[in-house]
Amino acid sequence: KAGVTQTPRYLIKTRGQQVTLSCSPISGHRSVSWYQQTPGQGLQFLFEYFSETQRNKGNFPGRFSGRQFSNSRSEMNVSTLELGDSALYLCASSLTQVPGGEQYFGPGTRLTVT
Amino acid sequence: DQQVKQNSPSLSVQEGRISILNCDYTNSMFDYFLWYKKYPAEGPTFLISISSIKDKNEDGRFTVFLNKSAKHLSLHIVPSQPGDSAVYFCAATTPNSGYALNFGKGTSLLVTP
Repeated sequence: KAGVTQTPRYLIKTRGQQVTLSCSPISGHRSVSWYQQTPGQGLQFLFEYFSETQRNKGNFPGRFSGRQFSNSRSEMNVSTLELGDSALYLCASSLTQVPGGEQYFGPGTRLTVT
Repeated sequence: DQQVKQNSPSLSVQEGRISILNCDYTNSMFDYFLWYKKYPAEGPTFLISISSIKDKNEDGRFTVFLNKSAKHLSLHIVPSQPGDSAVYFCAATTPNSGYALNFGKGTSLLVTP
């Protein structure tokens, strides 16, 4: 079956702008998580959505937000972009968030803020 | 604060030999541990996991060992193959964080012919 898809794959934005990234999970997966990967901090958890509800949130400012639609597709939004927001944003889906529940990652969206 | 640490940024091993990747953690509430492998321009892919009630889990050439008293786990790859060259991430989860993955910063493994 098709894997996790993320669009766009690459994005260049200017400081102060906002951006929306999209993620389509594997068919049947209801949990979608977002992670930020930077050279300095590594992979950090942003938030997780399950059945259109945010179930879990990492330690990021309120400029980072997300939502999930009834078809499980998810979007994340970053407002008032800062240079430090330049990163690879990864989306992962799973059947549900349980211990050992494998998360399947998409290829990521590379965001560059200038 | 980094709760999962991979102190070796890189590792080089000859083909056919054993690769040992190490991971330390600080949060005693972690109850499930996973290893992911990442190739350039791709997302991480799940490799192997272990529950805190076990001390070893094996899957083909990959074995993960968990030492809870030392808060340490390791991934053994035997024998190593050139296709294993990738970045390996250790991750840990706890019910307290809704089972979100806490990742280490990764170890880049290079397997040379």
